[in-house]
Amino acid sequence: GENVEQHPSTLSVQEGDSAVIKCTYSDSASNYFPWYKQELGKRPQLIIDIRSNVGEKKDQRIAVTLNKTAKHFSLHITETQPEDSAVYFCAASGSGYALNFGKGTSLLVTP
Amino acid sequence: DAGVIQSPRHEVTEMGQEVTLRCKPISGHNSLFWYRQTMMRGLELLIYFNNNVPIDDSGMPEDRFSAKMPNASFSTLKIQPSEPRDSAVYFCASSLGGRDGYTFGSGTRLTVV
Repeated sequence: GENVEQHPSTLSVQEGDSAVIKCTYSDSASNYFPWYKQELGKRPQLIIDIRSNVGEKKDQRIAVTLNKTAKHFSLHITETQPEDSAVYFCAASGSGYALNFGKGTSLLVTP
Repeated sequence: DAGVIQSPRHEVTEMGQEVTLRCKPISGHNSLFWYRQTMMRGLELLIYFNNNVPIDDSGMPEDRFSAKMPNASFSTLKIQPSEPRDSAVYFCASSLGGRDGYTFGSGTRLTVV
């Protein structure tokens, strides 16, 4: 099955700096790569996704890049704000119906 | 739409008791997923259904766990008997057509003492 590795497990940045979270996956059949944000005590919520036919996608301060050859993808958050503090999960589709999630990155943005 | 609805939000039970978690997916969604979240293991897929049919239950940890989806608007996850190591947050998610665009429920925080 699909194995998704996510790094780092914790990340602390100062407000205004950029944050980068990286994931690798194992199943070359994966073609859908979403990112979820989970605030403390809340449900994971989709913030951005990318499909295998594109290399980059951007939505305001958030961008995701995908390198299918190397089987890795990354989340980039620019101009971080305290409200960006949360746990971020990457996921890959694998060859089945369900998503396989990384173990999460706890992002702390300090004022 | 009210989103994916899970109940109860919190459950505290004694070891050995039966626990039933419930999920109502978003109307029209034909895929339903049960995940378990712990600090150590992150989000683990337990089982998923497509058009009410279980497709893959290889993530169900033991025979103590069972899941059903009797119709398109309701699913249950049952643990019998429960053990302290089952303590976790259990999320249900639904989607239209598989892994795209999951919507998660609010989760059930289960504590087995």
